[in-house]
Order: sequence, then C-alpha cells, then structure tokens
Amino acid sequence: DTAVSQTPKYLVTQMGNDKSIKCEQNLGHDTMYWYKQDSKKFLKIMFSYNNKELIINETVPNRFSPKSPDKAHLNLHINSLELGDSAVYFCASRPSGPSYEQYFGPGTRLTVT
Amino acid sequence: LAKTTQPISMDSYEGQEVNITCSHNNIATNDYITWYQQFPSQGPRFIIQGYKTKVTNEVASLFIPADRKSSTLSLPRVSLSDTAVYYCLVGDRGSNYQLIWGAGTKLIIKP
Repeated sequence: DTAVSQTPKYLVTQMGNDKSIKCEQNLGHDTMYWYKQDSKKFLKIMFSYNNKELIINETVPNRFSPKSPDKAHLNLHINSLELGDSAVYFCASRPSGPSYEQYFGPGTRLTVT
Repeated sequence: LAKTTQPISMDSYEGQEVNITCSHNNIATNDYITWYQQFPSQGPRFIIQGYKTKVTNEVASLFIPADRKSSTLSLPRVSLSDTAVYYCLVGDRGSNYQLIWGAGTKLIIKP
C-alpha cells in the first residue's frame, strides 16, 4: 500500500565507494524527483524526471546519476562517495499538471565515513 | 531566480491560531504556492496550495495577497502534534521546471 517507497532506509559506507538508492511509486505519477536534505533541513532538488525528460540541477556533481528503468522507478546512483554526501535523500513523485502536490518517500539516511 | 524567506522558528501554545508567512519574489505567475509539513525522520507531507486569495481545507488555510509576493499558512487551534517544520514551495518565474523551497519554519507547540 505504500505510495512511494525507498530502499534502503539507512546506508553507511566508506569514502570512495559507489552506492545506489532505489525508489518506486505505485501512484501512476509521471514526474519523479530526488531531493537531498542536509543537517540544517534545507531541501535541495537534485533531479526531476518526467516522461523520460531529465532535468538536472546544475549544482549537483556528476558523481550523482539518476536512472529510470520505467515510469514507476527512479534510482539514484552515487559514485566515489565523499563525506559531504552524508545527508537524507528523499524520492518524491507527483502527477502531471500544475499542482505541486508531491508525495515523498520515507527517506534514506546516507552516512559516509 | 525566485527567492523565499521564512522565519526560522516559531513558538505557540495549544489551542492558539498560528500564522506562518513566507515571502517570495520572482515567482512564476501561473504556478501554485504550496506548503508542506515535515515531522522528524519522515518525508515532507503536502498541506495546502493556492493560486490567489484564500484557500481552506480540513487542516489549514492559505492566504495569498494579490501581488503574490507572500503567502501565509494559518493553522487553527494547534495541538502538540502540529510541532513540525513547515516549508513553502514556489515555482521560479524564469524556468518552467525550477522549484524553490523555503528554508523551513520550525514550529514548536507548547502545552
């Protein structure tokens, strides 16, 4: 019944490793997002993905890459992890149209040591 | 680029009405102004959105003046469970895709 799910919930890894976070939505939404929330609770959009059109926040390092195997999934791959990547990452989705009502996943807390 | 400003924190007491204002300039003229609530260890949750004047739902009201340079989220008769961080979200005038989040207002409700 979960609308937007993410795995894993917690991820602890060492600098330099490559990791992935998975996201799935069962709402039939056309647009999906990845967000980064830092320790000060600022929400930063990293990517938005709509009907195979990827909008990238230009401030996001190219070590981060989204991959969408189908409309219901948007995974986040991170290469060469750095200490500053430690944060909570949220996936979200919303339907097409003018509304900004987004549905968020529970978040993945990434800790890089 | 659009810019938003919210108070960092607010305190209130149970049963009171709480108003949180977000100032925003250069926002998209045809986009909604949206508010979210976030509890610790959870993702943000949609509360309300509006385009102009006043919108009310079962949870809150949203007041938007004609110039749309600000919006005020109104929570009637708050309870301890309303303690959370509240964010405003607007669209940037210069881009069809750029969403601008406020920095969040931490609301603490006291008994």
